Amino acid sequence: AQKVTQAQTEISVVEKEDVTLDCVYETRDTTYYLFWYKQPPSGELVFLIRRNSFDEQNEISGRYSWNFQKSTSSFNFTITASQVVDSAVYFCALSEAAAGNKLTFGGGTRVLVKP
Amino acid sequence: ETGVTQSPTHLIKTRGQQVTLRCSSQSGHNTVSWYQQALGQGPQFIFQYYREEENGRGNFPPRFSGLQFPNYSSELNVNALELDDSALYLCASSELGGSFGELFFGEGSRLTVL
Repeated sequence: AQKVTQAQTEISVVEKEDVTLDCVYETRDTTYYLFWYKQPPSGELVFLIRRNSFDEQNEISGRYSWNFQKSTSSFNFTITASQVVDSAVYFCALSEAAAGNKLTFGGGTRVLVKP
Repeated sequence: ETGVTQSPTHLIKTRGQQVTLRCSSQSGHNTVSWYQQALGQGPQFIFQYYREEENGRGNFPPRFSGLQFPNYSSELNVNALELDDSALYLCASSELGGSFGELFFGEGSRLTVL
């Protein structure tokens, strides 16, 4: 069975600080996909990034960066120089290749960026 | 390009009643998924529809059922409502065979069961 754990329930930072969100996953499949989604107060989840299990190359996109380490089953997400607009709940998710678009989400981490 | 829209946005029901939630998928998308998000938790997969057929189901009882229409819009029906059904119900559309796992979500229907 697949499982996603986000140990941090809430993180509070002051604007311009960096914030790193932790995600640990479990799966028996060798082919799987990992995702980060953002949920602002309006409620809709917004897709941020996808990584497949064969691509451990870390990525930087603007102020966002991701660190995928298969050896520790972790897929962490960092926001550099945080802004008030980054305040939201962030979800890590996993999908096994055979499961199609069925995502298993973690419990989420609420990020509060104070001005 | 029209995004995913859901209705109603909020509703209140009592135990034992039935509810129907509606979703219009994003233009060009042929797959609709439904998720239940209890307060303070992550979304949980209910089921997915592709070309009007159920195409995968999570761990939800049969009183949760759905439909997908030829225009790819969808309904979620819940019978015999229980207090624990109180949650935000999220609809997501995608294109099967498109960008894997990139789901486009609506803002959800918040159901309160009293």
